Amino acid sequence: EDKVVQSPLSLVVHEGDTVTLNCSYEVTNFRSLLWYKQEKKAPTFLFMLTSSGIEKKSGRLSSILDKKELFSILNITATQTGDSAVYLCAVFRGGSEKLVFGKGMKLTVNP
Amino acid sequence: KAGVTQTPRYLIKTRGQQVTLSCSPISGHRSVSWYQQTPGQGLQFLFEYFSETQRNKGNFPGRFSGRQFSNSRSEMNVSTLELGDSALYLCASSLGGGADTIYFGEGSWLTVV
Repeated sequence: EDKVVQSPLSLVVHEGDTVTLNCSYEVTNFRSLLWYKQEKKAPTFLFMLTSSGIEKKSGRLSSILDKKELFSILNITATQTGDSAVYLCAVFRGGSEKLVFGKGMKLTVNP
Repeated sequence: KAGVTQTPRYLIKTRGQQVTLSCSPISGHRSVSWYQQTPGQGLQFLFEYFSETQRNKGNFPGRFSGRQFSNSRSEMNVSTLELGDSALYLCASSLGGGADTIYFGEGSWLTVV
């Protein structure tokens, strides 16, 4: 059975802290891994990773994929209160043409 | 470029009724997929359409159905609503080639009373 596991499931930090979100997966016919941010509405796309070892960056956020060990991490540096959200990791499974989601990680950034 | 548009955004229905939700994908995107999000189960795949053909269906009862039109717009229908169908229904669109970026709409919040 396909599995995407995120850890930790929740995290409370102070503004300025750096956080690392983990995502491990066991998904048949892996095509890509995607990270989304969800704030009480639709998930907003952050990154899509297909190749191992290549870091994607966007401002204070970065992510990397390890296809050998089947995991990905999402880093957020110098966190701000606006980073408070649920972060979702999903793997796109080829053949089934679907995303398999983890449970999400709730991040709370306190001022 | 307009994003993924879903209508209606909020709706309340009574048990036993049926509901139709609509999704307009990003222009040029031919794949539309639907997901159900609930606090207990998280995001679960309902079905995916590409060029008017359903390519895959998730593990949901037959009360859940969908279709896609020639302009790539999609609708999903839930018949004989149950309380447990209360959820956020999300539509996602992509080019449909496989390892494409997948974008989500704002969702339709369905409450069944």
